[in-house]
Amino acid sequence: ILNVEQSPQSLHVQEGDSTNFTCSFPSSNFYALHWYRWETAKSPEALFVMTLNGDEKKKGRISATLNTKEGYSYLYIKGSQPEDSATYLCAFWGGSNYKLTFGKGTLLTVNP
Amino acid sequence: DSGVTQTPKHLITATGQRVTLRCSPRSGDLSVYWYQQSLDQGLQFLIQYYNGEERAKGNILERFSAQQFPDLHSELNLSSLELGDSALYFCASGSEYEQYFGPGTRLTVT
Repeated sequence: ILNVEQSPQSLHVQEGDSTNFTCSFPSSNFYALHWYRWETAKSPEALFVMTLNGDEKKKGRISATLNTKEGYSYLYIKGSQPEDSATYLCAFWGGSNYKLTFGKGTLLTVNP
Repeated sequence: DSGVTQTPKHLITATGQRVTLRCSPRSGDLSVYWYQQSLDQGLQFLIQYYNGEERAKGNILERFSAQQFPDLHSELNLSSLELGDSALYFCASGSEYEQYFGPGTRLTVT
């Protein structure tokens, strides 16, 4: 059984704060690490896919880093806005299966 | 809009019944993935089809089955339903490098 852990489980920040959360995953047989943004009543939307150790990806105020040797990825949001409120999911692809294993997500609430 | 469609959006049924959920992938995508989102669980992978063939299986119960048709749409069949099967069921299309999720079907078993 592959374990993908996300922390914290939930986070409340004020508008303008920068924040980050963690995804940890098995460090062996790594293929890719995904980050998704999931707003209430919508479907998960892909943010990043990272495949190489040391990868850094950026989209606007959101960025992510990847360390496959130690099995973790960080997602950063700079200057959080209320519209950033969502659950952020990471998903690991690795091992011998053609499947993504998802973490339980970090629920971010940004207060105006 | 991801280009993945799912019907119905909501389904309410009784224990012991059977339902069919339908998914149409994005144009050009050969793979369909089914996921279950229950209350305290993350997205749980159920099953993947690629061009009509089963490719990978996850935590799918024996009471559940799926198939992918020649036009690439897929159906997830859930039978002998139990209260614990109440969940949000997503399908996605794409690949292990990029998946696009449909809007989901919310199943309530009463």
